[in-house]
Amino acid sequence: AQSVTQLGSHVSVSEGALVLLRCNYSSSVPPYLFWYVQYPNQGLQLLLKYTSAATLVKGINGFEAEFKKSETSFHLTKPSAHMSDAAEYFCAVSARSHDKVIFGPGTSLSVIP
Amino acid sequence: ETGVTQSPTHLIKTRGQQVTLRCSSQSGHNTVSWYQQALGQGPQFIFQYYREEENGRGNFPPRFSGLQFPNYSSELNVNALELDDSALYLCASTLEGGVYEQYFGPGTRLTVT
Repeated sequence: AQSVTQLGSHVSVSEGALVLLRCNYSSSVPPYLFWYVQYPNQGLQLLLKYTSAATLVKGINGFEAEFKKSETSFHLTKPSAHMSDAAEYFCAVSARSHDKVIFGPGTSLSVIP
Repeated sequence: ETGVTQSPTHLIKTRGQQVTLRCSSQSGHNTVSWYQQALGQGPQFIFQYYREEENGRGNFPPRFSGLQFPNYSSELNVNALELDDSALYLCASTLEGGVYEQYFGPGTRLTVT
């Protein structure tokens, strides 16, 4: 079975500062891992995904994440926060392609001007 | 813009009633998944359909049911509504044969009173 934990339900950073959102997963098989962003009253947008290729994954809007099997982690980073990055971020895992996706509880990111 | 649409955007129902939510995806997207997102939580997997057959189900009771049609549209039906069914319902479609990525619709906000 798969599961996801996200450390920190709320994270605040200053504009221009490093963004680090933490995600740890549990999976009985090699996982597919995802980060999604959700803006208020909207659906989910895929930021990036790991599907067993390169362990450092680059996504949209300057975000990237590194798959670390030994730590069962897939933390999301961005070097410099922008006001438009304020949103809810979800880490997710699936066992294989086209399988159900299990989401974490989410981290709300606030960016302080 | 993901090409996935959902209707209605919002609706209010009374406990005990039945509701049908609709989703329309792009041509070639043969897999559709439905998720329930309660306020302040991550999306929870309800079920998935592939080529009009259910091929995966989460921990939801049988009063949650679905249909998928050949024209890439689908429905989520919920009978005997309960107050706890109040949530944002998201559908997501996947292109068959493509690199695995779920495309989410904007969701339907259901309020049960």
